[in-house]
Amino acid sequence: DIQMTQSPSSLSASVGDRVTITCRASQGIRNDLGWYQQKPGKAPKRLIYAASNLQSGVPSRFSGSGSGTEFTLTISSLQPEDFATYYCSQHNSYPLTFGGGTKVEIK
Amino acid sequence: EVQLLESGGGLVQPGGSLRLSCAASGFTFSNNAMGWVRKAPGKGLEWVSNIISSGGSTYYADSVKGRFTISRDNSKNTLYLQMNSLRDEDTAVYYCANYGYGMAVWGQGTTVTVSS
Repeated sequence: DIQMTQSPSSLSASVGDRVTITCRASQGIRNDLGWYQQKPGKAPKRLIYAASNLQSGVPSRFSGSGSGTEFTLTISSLQPEDFATYYCSQHNSYPLTFGGGTKVEIK
Repeated sequence: EVQLLESGGGLVQPGGSLRLSCAASGFTFSNNAMGWVRKAPGKGLEWVSNIISSGGSTYYADSVKGRFTISRDNSKNTLYLQMNSLRDEDTAVYYCANYGYGMAVWGQGTTVTVSS
């Protein structure tokens, strides 16, 4: 199974800050990676697919990069509605796996 | 607009069974692979199962293999998850999603609680 390791597991940031979340795969997964946002009591929402493609309707302050084993989600200027938990997930091979999540909190 | 609506969750005793349904609209259901993902209280997201568009191939997490069965009825635009031999650790919110470059669009979820 491919293990997905996210860091940090949590972070505190202020509105307007630039935030970077990292995801590392235990083996190469090309660009078969997505990033998801989940707010409490709500369904997850995909932000990024194929490592760097912005999902339709998602603000351009979100961006993704990486390939192989190292991936990054960046929020260029954190907004109040961005406080949530973020997950990466690989779909290169079964079983599909998620990272442990990064909780972004208000400083 | 893609819409997915799960139903069938509830309270069940350990060892019991439930069948979840996911009604799809706003896209050509029969052309899309589909899947289930769950989130247990205080834990992260866990992939459960996927099924290809025709229903001819299915995939399962080791934690549910042999107990859960994914299926679909393309004539009814509906995805199912039959859950047998339920355990305490199956307690979670279960989401269905259409699968394309990963889980693309998600339903709102249905809650399954396994408890005596």
